[in-house]
Amino acid sequence: GAGVSQSPSNKVTEKGKDVELRCDPISGHTALYWYRQRLGQGLEFLIYFQGNSAPDKSGLPSDRFSAERTGESVSTLTIQRTQQEDSAVYLCASSLAGTGVQPQHFGDGTRLSIL
Amino acid sequence: GDSVTQMEGPVTLSEEAFLTINCTYTATGYPSLFWYVQYPGEGLQLLLKATKADDKGSNKGFEATYRKETTSFHLEKGSVQVSDSAVYFCALISPTNAGKSTFGDGTTLTVKP
Repeated sequence: GAGVSQSPSNKVTEKGKDVELRCDPISGHTALYWYRQRLGQGLEFLIYFQGNSAPDKSGLPSDRFSAERTGESVSTLTIQRTQQEDSAVYLCASSLAGTGVQPQHFGDGTRLSIL
Repeated sequence: GDSVTQMEGPVTLSEEAFLTINCTYTATGYPSLFWYVQYPGEGLQLLLKATKADDKGSNKGFEATYRKETTSFHLEKGSVQVSDSAVYFCALISPTNAGKSTFGDGTTLTVKP
């Protein structure tokens, strides 16, 4: 079946521009996560959605970052007034929610480069 | 808060060598533990998992045992191959933390022929 799909796969933009990253989770997965991975580093948690609510926004690095999710479907991560420090791979993951603890299924990421 | 500490890399081994990548954790309650692998140019994939103490996760010749007494989940493989070259991430999900995953910083493994 289809996995987690992210678009675009690569994005190059000038400093100061806004960017919007998209994630299509696996159908039926109610939990959705965004992470940031800087070059050579581990995953940095950004935000978690359960359905279309975000119980945990603690990882968003600044008010330039925001995310939305439509129902239990697509999510968009928006970065306003981009800075060079925002350059990274942005990863989306989804998982089944429930009483158990489910592994996350990752997309291939969006590689964001700020010039 | 929750945390995961992995053995620092990079790790370089010869083909058929024994692999151990150490992982220890701190968490509230009884987390589930995971190893993810990221092959060059690809996204993260689940490698194996264990959801309770003394469980052993295994896949593709890799194994890890959930050790509650030492709060560890070390990854092992008896004989590595060149194709195992990748970055390996240890992670946990704590049921008390709204399902959020906490990842280690990753360990880069290079296997030479």
